[in-house]
Amino acid sequence: NAGVTQTPKFQVLKTGQSMTLQCAQDMNHNSMYWYRQDPGMGLRLIYYSASEGTTDKGEVPNGYNVSRLNKREFSLRLESAAPSQTSVYFCASSEFGPRGQETQYFGPGTRLLVL
Amino acid sequence: AQSVAQPEDQVNVAEGNPLTVKCTYSVSGNPYLFWYVQYPNRGLQFLLKYITGDNLVKGSYGFEAEFNKSQTSFHLKKPSALVSDSALYFCAVRLYNAGNMLTFGGGTRLMVKP
Repeated sequence: NAGVTQTPKFQVLKTGQSMTLQCAQDMNHNSMYWYRQDPGMGLRLIYYSASEGTTDKGEVPNGYNVSRLNKREFSLRLESAAPSQTSVYFCASSEFGPRGQETQYFGPGTRLLVL
Repeated sequence: AQSVAQPEDQVNVAEGNPLTVKCTYSVSGNPYLFWYVQYPNRGLQFLLKYITGDNLVKGSYGFEAEFNKSQTSFHLKKPSALVSDSALYFCAVRLYNAGNMLTFGGGTRLMVKP
């Protein structure tokens, strides 16, 4: 049981390049999330998927797109990377339960540097 | 809108002493409150949560947190700190029925010195 896995662990991009961050979970969770972590700002939600086939914007969605490929996988795409997107990206998933009470489980993160 | 404040960027404590990491929140209803810990180059790990009931919540690794509605606080505590507790701690809040929006505080770095 690997929990939440993310690839790649580290990536360097040039401004304007595109890339997709991959996330998968093996806990049969319905909901999945993408966050970015910046110093002193905690984690901010980019997009989430409450269930397979649905996605919704979070707090900071601009410049990103997501795909909920199936129940296990939730990818985050940067179409044209900008230096402001330099950050650490975390994927998370949560079990189904009374709304608001679910515990989120996090992947190890992807460190992205945009030059 | 919901928000979380962690007023201390860093907390220093000697090993064996009690520790407190502070968290205050602002929501317009009944909150669900969470604490997560992040070790270097790792994702966040769940420590504990308050949903309802007893105001003192016990979690992993000997940590506990006290929900204080009048002071809108949810401070994390441990009676005796270990060097291995040194990490980054995040408080988070979610409002009942507010979808999946979990709002995180900015984090507090805990340094436990031998």
